Amino acid sequence: RKEVEQDPGPFNVPEGATVAFNCTYSNSASQSFFWYRQDCRKEPKLLMSVYSSGNEDGRFTAQLNRASQYISLLIRDSKLSDSATYLCVVNYAGNNRKLIWGLGTSLAVNP
Amino acid sequence: DTEVTQTPKHLVMGMTNKKSLKCEQHMGHRAMYWYKQKAKKPPELMFVYSYEKLSINESVPSRFSPECPNSSLLNLHLHALQPEDSALYLCASRLRQGSGELFFGEGSRLTVL
Repeated sequence: RKEVEQDPGPFNVPEGATVAFNCTYSNSASQSFFWYRQDCRKEPKLLMSVYSSGNEDGRFTAQLNRASQYISLLIRDSKLSDSATYLCVVNYAGNNRKLIWGLGTSLAVNP
Repeated sequence: DTEVTQTPKHLVMGMTNKKSLKCEQHMGHRAMYWYKQKAKKPPELMFVYSYEKLSINESVPSRFSPECPNSSLLNLHLHALQPEDSALYLCASRLRQGSGELFFGEGSRLTVL
């Protein structure tokens, strides 16, 4: 089983749609969690850190479920500019405190 | 604008060349990273420096040689590379290893002929 798993997609949704991504992780000792966004041929950029209490930033909501070992990202009212790859990242307490990356989920928002 | 600066943005080199990639940050971060990324894949960790000491080497071939001259600078020296080493090389920094968000530079796109 991969340490961090994401559905690679692609997700094709119309503008204005709500779309949700899930990411599961295998190591219960994981400490912190992030969603990164990467546009084609650009560097990854932090979208959100994910906190136990859940957090929201405008149209984006991130949730963490430690019991089931998954994190989620919800995008409401999708815009064309949301088209990108969304990468789930998990920081383990052990293992040299490395960041473990999911393979990413590709999102295409269509007019 | 990214606060991690990488140069050069593009590099083409032959298999016998020696070149270097450079990275600089002035955010006071004490952990600096080199990642390699191929198309449609996530970034793949190469090296981590923590407080200017090499903390992680992910079994990277010796034709890649990292250097951290001070807390703001990170270099990646390249020698005798292979065409399969062509990729986007990303530098990143973090407050400390294991703490905080990772900030990336725009990357250096390397082509090995």
